[in-house]
Amino acid sequence: QITLKESGPTLVKPTQTLTLTCTFSGFSLSTSGVGVGWIRQPPGKALEWLALIYWNDDKRYSPSLKSRLAITKDTSKNQVVLTMTNVDPVDTATYYCAHRPIAAAYLLWGQGTLVTVSS
Amino acid sequence: EIVLTQSPGTLSLSPGERATLSCRASQSVSSSYLAWYQQKPGQAPRLLIYGASSRASGIPDRFSGSGSGTDFTLTISRLEPEDFAVYYCQQYGSSPLFTFGPGTKVEIK
Repeated sequence: QITLKESGPTLVKPTQTLTLTCTFSGFSLSTSGVGVGWIRQPPGKALEWLALIYWNDDKRYSPSLKSRLAITKDTSKNQVVLTMTNVDPVDTATYYCAHRPIAAAYLLWGQGTLVTVSS
Repeated sequence: EIVLTQSPGTLSLSPGERATLSCRASQSVSSSYLAWYQQKPGQAPRLLIYGASSRASGIPDRFSGSGSGTDFTLTISRLEPEDFAVYYCQQYGSSPLFTFGPGTKVEIK
């Protein structure tokens, strides 16, 4: 059974750096073709894909947020970390991590974590 | 960048009725790269359909997907009470890697 769980701060101040961790089980990020990504959803709004890291450490980012994002993996710990710099209240959202199965064009999601950006 | 448009924004139907949801892409999308998700309040999105027409594991057969090119459809043949939710289409491409539509809310009439 594949599970993913997001963890990190629930409240961040504007201009700070947000660091979120995705801890997963049921698959290995060293398996060829596998990826783990991040998606966010502001309250009452639609989904926005942020970033994805592949088994081979290839990294892809949303063009609109690329300058503020960094995604890394620790295969031994089954974790993927997303950092977002210089946060703003508009970054308030539920942040989801998701599993991209081998060669798949879809995602399987964690439960999400709500992050509020406010002073 | 491919933009996905979903219609209608809200669909008001009664249990037992048929729901037809549309997803239109600004450029042609490979059918292999089109997916649908269901999201209920307070929950994460759940995969319903991948490859435009393949049901994900455990998804009832009242859910079906179809379409090609720029026009895709999610059909719920007979709405059950648990089907009232928001539905998103998603495409997988080059940049950005994943794109989502704005969603269609299926609400009880």
